[in-house]
Amino acid sequence: EVQLEQSGAEVKKPGESLKISCKGSGFSFNTHWIGWVRQMPGRGLEWMGIIFPGDSETTYSPSFQGQVTISADMSITTAYLQWSSLKASDTAMYYCARRPWGSYRYFDSWGQGTLVTVSS
Amino acid sequence: DIQMTQFPSTLSASVGDRVTITCRASQNIGSWLAWYQQRPGKAPKVLINKASSLENGVPSRFSGSGSGTEFTLTISGLQPDDFATYYCLQYNILSYAFGPGTKVDIK
Repeated sequence: EVQLEQSGAEVKKPGESLKISCKGSGFSFNTHWIGWVRQMPGRGLEWMGIIFPGDSETTYSPSFQGQVTISADMSITTAYLQWSSLKASDTAMYYCARRPWGSYRYFDSWGQGTLVTVSS
Repeated sequence: DIQMTQFPSTLSASVGDRVTITCRASQNIGSWLAWYQQRPGKAPKVLINKASSLENGVPSRFSGSGSGTEFTLTISGLQPDDFATYYCLQYNILSYAFGPGTKVDIK
């Protein structure tokens, strides 16, 4: 069974750093990209970026370039999303999602989401 | 960047109704469009890919059509489980954009 297991909810203060994770199982991690999607409270889905864990090739949405860092560790089939200095506006649910390798592929399986709350 | 619009933003309907949601792309995306359903507190679930291909296990009351810049998702015979928010997604190489969503609620 394909699974993307995300790390648990986080409560942080503005200015703190954070790294959340997404562990894949039940599929070949090196033939899939892993994307990250933000959903702010009561709002829609926003694509943030995507990584190919096999070679760490990464593409960011222009809206998120420089704001977050996406990385992966193939040896433990885990992708990460990190912030160096959180802002209150980073409060959101963050989803990871799997995209098969190849051209014109969509997100076909999703993690359960990680809720990040940033508040002083 | 490709921008996606969706309408209506909210749709009130009854069980058994046929509902249609429209998604428009700011430029030609061929058939590279997927539809997702998101229930409250849950992750999105893909219903349709490549504009009109039903995902395995998705009920046949869901259908998609369109190409180029205009696409539709139709639910024929709304069921209680279908009251949710629906999003379109364009997927072009390694660039993605979601529509703003359509909430289908109970009339």
